[in-house]
Amino acid sequence: DGGITQSPKYLFRKEGQNVTLSCEQNLNHDAMYWYRQDPGQGLRLIYYSQIVNDFQKGDIAEGYSVSREKKESFPLTVTSAQKNPTAFYLCASSIEFGGNEQFFGPGTRLTVL
Amino acid sequence: GENVEQHPSTLSVQEGDSAVIKCTYSDSASNYFPWYKQELGKRPQLIIDIRSNVGEKKDQRIAVTLNKTAKHFSLHITETQPEDSAVYFCAGGGSYIPTFGRGTSLIVHP
Repeated sequence: DGGITQSPKYLFRKEGQNVTLSCEQNLNHDAMYWYRQDPGQGLRLIYYSQIVNDFQKGDIAEGYSVSREKKESFPLTVTSAQKNPTAFYLCASSIEFGGNEQFFGPGTRLTVL
Repeated sequence: GENVEQHPSTLSVQEGDSAVIKCTYSDSASNYFPWYKQELGKRPQLIIDIRSNVGEKKDQRIAVTLNKTAKHFSLHITETQPEDSAVYFCAGGGSYIPTFGRGTSLIVHP
């Protein structure tokens, strides 16, 4: 079953803790993206990766970190420096960076207690 | 960077009516304009896209028009059905970095 997966679906975190969200794709896509979705805010780009071992900051990268050690994996770490981390996080991939359809994962809802 | 404005934020129509959602963009270098549909509790999915060398594209009841001079593009849905109810997002992107609009919640009343 090909596609893009995210885990976990729901995640609870205490203030001051770092947490890592998983994103995996078996589509052989070069580019991967992380978005944050808040009500009425659309999809805001956190980080993107054009190719393995490369990644760039998006519009709201502060308090987040990523890695791209494998083509199929692009984990996102929400650090304690992120002031308002409670949100819905979506991962996406595309065959190449830019100008191509993005395929989205099912999302992870993070709640900070 | 790119700025994408989307209007309206909410659109309510009767089944069978047409619906139009408009987006404007700021970066003249943008050349790819997709539209995504997100049903409640589901992931966004591409429904149609257009590139800057084309003025209009149709796919059954859905069409997208692009005006590069005015820097705006629109999604047109004809003969709306209840299953069209969802949030729709437009996107643009100078230098290929994707920027999404804030979304339009379309409600189709039976």
